[in-house]
Amino acid sequence: ETGVTQTPRHLVMGMTNKKSLKCEQHLGHNAMYWYKQSAKKPLELMFVYNFKEQTENNSVPSRFSPECPNSSHLFLHLHTLQPEDSALYLCASSQDVGGVQPQHFGDGTRLSIL
Amino acid sequence: EDQVTQSPEALRLQEGESSSLNCSYTVSGLRGLFWYRQDPGKGPEFLFTLYSAGEEKEKERLKATLTKKESFLHITAPKPEDSATYLCAVQAWRTQGGSEKLVFGKGTKLTVNP
Repeated sequence: ETGVTQTPRHLVMGMTNKKSLKCEQHLGHNAMYWYKQSAKKPLELMFVYNFKEQTENNSVPSRFSPECPNSSHLFLHLHTLQPEDSALYLCASSQDVGGVQPQHFGDGTRLSIL
Repeated sequence: EDQVTQSPEALRLQEGESSSLNCSYTVSGLRGLFWYRQDPGKGPEFLFTLYSAGEEKEKERLKATLTKKESFLHITAPKPEDSATYLCAVQAWRTQGGSEKLVFGKGTKLTVNP
C-alpha cells in the first residue's frame, strides 16, 4: 500500500458531467502533483502545489480545475471534458519542490469519457 | 528542451537472463535522474535517484548506473516478478523563469518468462 491514496480508482463520465478526483497523502509531504498518463506517451505534468500554493500550471485547459485545501489533500475538478481526456490521472507527493527529491505516486484514477 | 529517450520500448527475457535497459537524456544541466517501476493498474514506484556521473545504486537484482549522457538499469538473473514497465525521469537545473519539473521517458516494458 502506498502512502498516496486516490479515489475513485475508475470513473466513467459523459462530456457534460462534472466530477472530482481526490488524492490524499499520508507521508507528511508539502508538495503535491497531478499527472496525466496516456498510452504510448510519457507522463505529463499538469499542476504542482507547494505548501497549498499552486506553483505550476503546465498549460492545462480550464476544464481541469485543481484545488489544494491543505498539504495532505488535492482535488482535480472536471467539467465538460473531451474524449481525448480519457487517461490515467496520477497524483504524487514529495517533501517539497526544492532539492532533488523523489515523488511518490498513488495508483491513479482511470478516467473514461463517453 | 529537455528530452528523455528509453530503449528498448519492450524487452522479453527468460528467467535468469540478465540484460540492461537504457535511458538517454538531453538536459541543460542534470540535477538528478530517477528510476521508477510501474505495474499494470498501479502508479509508479520509486526505485533509485542518481545525482552525478559515475554513481551507482543497487537494490536486489537491480543496479542503476549514470554517465553524462545516459543511465542504465541492469537486471541480473531476473525473475517473473520483475516484469513491469520501468520509467526514467530527469530533473534539470532551473534556468531563469524555467521549471525543475521531472521529464519522463515513455518507459520500457519488461516481461520475464518462467
